[in-house]
Amino acid sequence: DQQVKQNSPSLSVQEGRISILNCDYTNSMFDYFLWYKKYPAEGPTFLISISSIKDKNEDGRFTVFLNKSAKHLSLHIVPSQPGDSAVYFCAASARDDYKLSFGAGTTVTVRA
Amino acid sequence: KAGVTQTPRYLIKTRGQQVTLSCSPISGHRSVSWYQQTPGQGLQFLFEYFSETQRNKGNFPGRFSGRQFSNSRSEMNVSTLELGDSALYLCASSSQVSGPYEQYFGPGTRLTVT
Repeated sequence: DQQVKQNSPSLSVQEGRISILNCDYTNSMFDYFLWYKKYPAEGPTFLISISSIKDKNEDGRFTVFLNKSAKHLSLHIVPSQPGDSAVYFCAASARDDYKLSFGAGTTVTVRA
Repeated sequence: KAGVTQTPRYLIKTRGQQVTLSCSPISGHRSVSWYQQTPGQGLQFLFEYFSETQRNKGNFPGRFSGRQFSNSRSEMNVSTLELGDSALYLCASSSQVSGPYEQYFGPGTRLTVT
């Protein structure tokens, strides 16, 4: 039962443009959401997170938006850079559940 | 501060054997979690430990077990290996005692079962 879904397996974007990655969830108990970036042969790297009491969190080029009523979150990367080419995972957790539920990932390719 | 370390990085085992993977968390982190990543199932939660106690366990058979030591280092064991156990096993650590938190991952151990 996939509680976190990333419906776009891949995204191609031109360098300098905006990358928008989407994520949907079904579990209403989730109250904390995270984005991770993963290069081949490495572990996921934490990028940015957002609590359910907020609807936006920004960190440099990365902004995460949360729409609780739609159970939807998105990650915006502006501007996209070649080093951003990686697999991006959306993850969610419920309070005191002590685990992350991950989406299937979206492979981002930034074209020069 | 050093990151999460996992040993070994690569492992090849035969069906029916058992394997032990090791994880050292970031200094000061007392929560350690394990995940399995496969192409078909993505990242799946195995278990989480805090202060040597398992607080949550994923939906995996009893062949998968783990433990945590008093220095927060953790090991996971897979007995009677099956071909389907071939995967990247990731360890993550966190400094949070409870509530929502970020987990920081190690590079993983690539297990191949032949």
